[in-house]
Amino acid sequence: GENVEQHPSTLSVQEGDSAVIKCTYSDSASNYFPWYKQELGKRPQLIIDIRSNVGEKKDQRIAVTLNKTAKHFSLHITETQPEDSAVYFCAAPASNDYKLSFGAGTTVTVRA
Amino acid sequence: DGGITQSPKYLFRKEGQNVTLSCEQNLNHDAMYWYRQDPGQGLRLIYYSQIVNDFQKGDIAEGYSVSREKKESFPLTVTSAQKNPTAFYLCASIPTGLYGYTFGSGTRLTVV
Repeated sequence: GENVEQHPSTLSVQEGDSAVIKCTYSDSASNYFPWYKQELGKRPQLIIDIRSNVGEKKDQRIAVTLNKTAKHFSLHITETQPEDSAVYFCAAPASNDYKLSFGAGTTVTVRA
Repeated sequence: DGGITQSPKYLFRKEGQNVTLSCEQNLNHDAMYWYRQDPGQGLRLIYYSQIVNDFQKGDIAEGYSVSREKKESFPLTVTSAQKNPTAFYLCASIPTGLYGYTFGSGTRLTVV
């Protein structure tokens, strides 16, 4: 199956600064890479995703980049705000299935 | 709840007791998944089902059982064989051939 590693496990940034989270995956045939945001006690919510035929995707202050050669993808949050504080998970599917394997999560804290 | 309802929100289990977590969706999704989340860890796959009357083990199926008698419902039973069941349990679903989970709001199970 797919093995997904996520770094860092915790990230503290000053409000207005940028945050970057990186994930690596093992299955070179994986073709879909979502990012989820989970607030305390809540369900994970999909915030952005990217497919393997593009290298970057942006949605307002959030962007995801994909390097298929190196098998890694990253989440970039610019101009961070206190409401960005949450746990962020990356995920990837096995090449022969739609079920997702998740990274261990990154706890992001935005300091006011 | 975005079309997926998990109940109860909180559940307490005594030693040696079986308990069942409910997951119901009205999204007409074919595939359904159960994940377990422990503090500071990612989501680990317990069981999944892609069609009615069929399901497969995930990475941590020992001590759990499921059924899929109806498309809308995918209940998870935590048996007495699961020695460390205290966790947050999340149900998710997707349409056939598509990515991007929709998650339920979760059930927090505690052993007392």
